[in-house]
Amino acid sequence: EDQVTQSPEALRLQEGESSSLNCSYTVSGLRGLFWYRQDPGKGPEFLFTLYSAGEEKEKERLKATLTKKESFLHITAPKPEDSATYLCAVQARGGSNYKLTFGKGTLLTVIP
Amino acid sequence: GAVVSQHPSRVICKSGTSVKIECRSLDFQATTMFWYRQFPKQSLMLMATSNEGSKATYEQGVEKDKFLINHASLTLSTLTVTSAHPEDSSFYICSARDRDGIFQETQYFGPGTRLLVL
Repeated sequence: EDQVTQSPEALRLQEGESSSLNCSYTVSGLRGLFWYRQDPGKGPEFLFTLYSAGEEKEKERLKATLTKKESFLHITAPKPEDSATYLCAVQARGGSNYKLTFGKGTLLTVIP
Repeated sequence: GAVVSQHPSRVICKSGTSVKIECRSLDFQATTMFWYRQFPKQSLMLMATSNEGSKATYEQGVEKDKFLINHASLTLSTLTVTSAHPEDSSFYICSARDRDGIFQETQYFGPGTRLLVL
């Protein structure tokens, strides 16, 4: 069974204080690892897809990296508008199954 | 691009009534749509996978007769909660895969529907 564990559950940062969120996973053959951002009362917003170990992707202040067991979402010099829950999900290889298994998320709060 | 809408955004109904939620892909065609529910401070739990023109595939523990899913076109899937009860109150979110997109494994999510059953 595919599993995703995110840590920490919650993180409070001062504006400009860089940090990283962790996503550990087990999956029977990885098709892709996904990062989403979710604001309160809204659906998840797609950020990144990573496919293989060593891959990195960047978008503004966010950078996602991937190893064979975990992924990190690095946030550089965060701003209050980066406050949200960040969700990690994995998708297993195999046929036409595109199901996602989500972690519980990390609630990020950036204080001005 | 890759915009998914849901309607309604929130609904309040009486126990025993049925509620229909629509999920539309606005600027792409989706052969596959997914329905999730999310409880407060919990992650997304997949309920079912909806394929255009065929029966939905439900996850273990999800009642097929209670959560009716119809995927009648490449841009529309509906979830009907039949004989709703207070325990069905939740945040329901749909997602869709872009049939013609470069990254077909990516799911794009709608804004969600808040259901409250009194």
